[in-house]
Amino acid sequence: SAVISQKPSRDICQRGTSLTIQCQVDSQVTMMFWYRQQPGQSLTLIATANQGSEATYESGFVIDKFPISRPNLTFSTLTVSNMSPEDSSIYLCSVQEPQETQYFGPGTRLLVL
Amino acid sequence: GNSVTQMEGPVTLSEEAFLTINCTYTATGYPSLFWYVQYPGEGLQLLLKATKADDKGSNKGFEATYRKETTSFHLEKGSVQVSDSAVYFCALRMNSGYSTLTFGKGTMLLVSP
Repeated sequence: SAVISQKPSRDICQRGTSLTIQCQVDSQVTMMFWYRQQPGQSLTLIATANQGSEATYESGFVIDKFPISRPNLTFSTLTVSNMSPEDSSIYLCSVQEPQETQYFGPGTRLLVL
Repeated sequence: GNSVTQMEGPVTLSEEAFLTINCTYTATGYPSLFWYVQYPGEGLQLLLKATKADDKGSNKGFEATYRKETTSFHLEKGSVQVSDSAVYFCALRMNSGYSTLTFGKGTMLLVSP
């Protein structure tokens, strides 16, 4: 199984600022995903980030707001830009090989004031 | 499109009670089905899965059977413990290529001593 770490684990930010979340995996993986989990809600996929290609964003999410980097097979970053209180959520990194088990990181808990 | 419907929570039980959390799905084709668990303050962990009809997934005393005729994957446990208190997510994934998980809204389980 893949072991995933995220930094920071939590943060409190002011509106209008940006936060970059890091996701590190202990092995090389093909597929990486970023999810948002708003308070009391299920997980919503933000984007898929496969190494060597541009991230693919789901409906309602755009690159200007959530730029993603995937420089290699073990690392990715998600930036939440120009934050507002509505961006307060848990952001989860996830990894998978095609048709294999999908693993999740511990999440980054973000509060925007 | 594909979707997953779970019973609403919270489900409140006493220790050693029998647990059922209902999950039904809609999908074009025959997906794999999953139950993930999220303990307080943590990310998601895979609890069990089933990849084809009539398969039974099991782990830590939890079981779920893939029922194609009723498009269901209900989670059961014969005797819950306080440590089972968590949010449980039912999910599906199509068995093709780079498919990702589609989650239900999650069901909170609270077990009291």
